[in-house]
Amino acid sequence: KAGVTQTPRYLIKTRGQQVTLSCSPISGHRSVSWYQQTPGQGLQFLFEYFSETQRNKGNFPGRFSGRQFSNSRSEMNVSTLELGDSALYLCASSIGRAVQETQYFGPGTRLLVL
Amino acid sequence: QKEVEQDPGPLSVPEGAIVSLNCTYSNSAFQYFMWYRQYSRKGPELLMYTYSSGNKEDGRFTAQVDKSSKYISLFIRDSQPSDSATYLCAMSARGGAQKLVFGQGTRLTINP
Repeated sequence: KAGVTQTPRYLIKTRGQQVTLSCSPISGHRSVSWYQQTPGQGLQFLFEYFSETQRNKGNFPGRFSGRQFSNSRSEMNVSTLELGDSALYLCASSIGRAVQETQYFGPGTRLLVL
Repeated sequence: QKEVEQDPGPLSVPEGAIVSLNCTYSNSAFQYFMWYRQYSRKGPELLMYTYSSGNKEDGRFTAQVDKSSKYISLFIRDSQPSDSATYLCAMSARGGAQKLVFGQGTRLTINP
């Protein structure tokens, strides 16, 4: 079974631009979460989607947004990019939201903002 | 102060040694505890998943949770060079696909 896939793998943008990252969960998985990983702050939770609805949100500004489609694929968008948005953005999927289920991570999209 | 504290290392040990990795946390609501391994340029992969206090063993890996002390550990026996990676502890209050709170990660190198 294919794992979580994320596109693109690498991205270079300039300040003020916006960016859209894509995540395809493992087949049959309906929950998708996004995380930001930086050397200084580590892995931080951005948001979680299930059945096309945002279920949980981390402490990030409104420039960070996301959505989920009916096939469970998800996108996240960052508008008005800042230098501090340079990070590895990780997507994780799980079958559902039940307590005993675990999250499986994709390889991430590495974003560099110049 | 961060909710989850983890020594970032780096930690370097000889092949075959027993490795001990630890995290402390401050949020008593955490009930689900995980250890992830992350190789360079890869996403984290789940190693161990534990609910509440106690021990869990899987091959060369043992996870321990002491909720009274708010302290969790991962032990790696007979460490191998292929175990060289960054190890991240993660926790959540409600488990499943809920928000995970991660430690900073410990970079581990096993020397042949």
